[in-house]
Amino acid sequence: EVQLVESGGGLVQPGGSLRLSCAASGFTFSSYAMTWVRRAPGKGLEWVSIISGGADGTYYADSVKGRFTISRDNSKNTLYLQMNSLSAEDTAVYYCAVSLGMQYFQHWGQGTLVTASS
Amino acid sequence: DIQMTQSPSTLSASVGDRVTITCRASQSISNWLAWYQQKPGKAPNLLIYKASSLESGVPSRFSGSGSGTEFTLTISSLQPDDFATYYCQQYNTYWTFGQGTKVEIK
Repeated sequence: EVQLVESGGGLVQPGGSLRLSCAASGFTFSSYAMTWVRRAPGKGLEWVSIISGGADGTYYADSVKGRFTISRDNSKNTLYLQMNSLSAEDTAVYYCAVSLGMQYFQHWGQGTLVTASS
Repeated sequence: DIQMTQSPSTLSASVGDRVTITCRASQSISNWLAWYQQKPGKAPNLLIYKASSLESGVPSRFSGSGSGTEFTLTISSLQPDDFATYYCQQYNTYWTFGQGTKVEIK
């Protein structure tokens, strides 16, 4: 059974940094692209970033480009999202998900809440 | 950037109703479209991919159709477990979600 468990969320001051982790199990992690999607309070889903299985391809939404960095450690079956220069607009539940062929998102974690507020 | 527009934003329906949600793309995306269901406090759940392919384990009352710029998600007979928010997502060029359609009890 595929399991994705996010961690690392919390309260951070505007301008601060946070690193999210997503621990994966139940599938061959290195064979699949992984993605981050967020949902801000009262808003819809927003794609954030995606990384290929071999980590040789990464893409970002314009809203986070230059501030967020996606990475993965295939030896630890773990996905990361380094978030810098956070603002109130980044406040959201962040989900990691498995992406089939860098297309749709088949399996999702339960999410971790990030709140950027003073 | 490809924009995805869903209609309606909110839909009131009763158990047993046939429900249709529409998703329009700002440019052609062929059939590179997925549909997700999300309930409050839960992760999204994949329903349909490639516009009309039903994900394994998803009830057959869900179906998807369309290509190019116009797509629909249909629930043939609404069940109590189906009251949720539904999102379309294009993956033709990068990845973009629609704004969501909330299906609520009439």
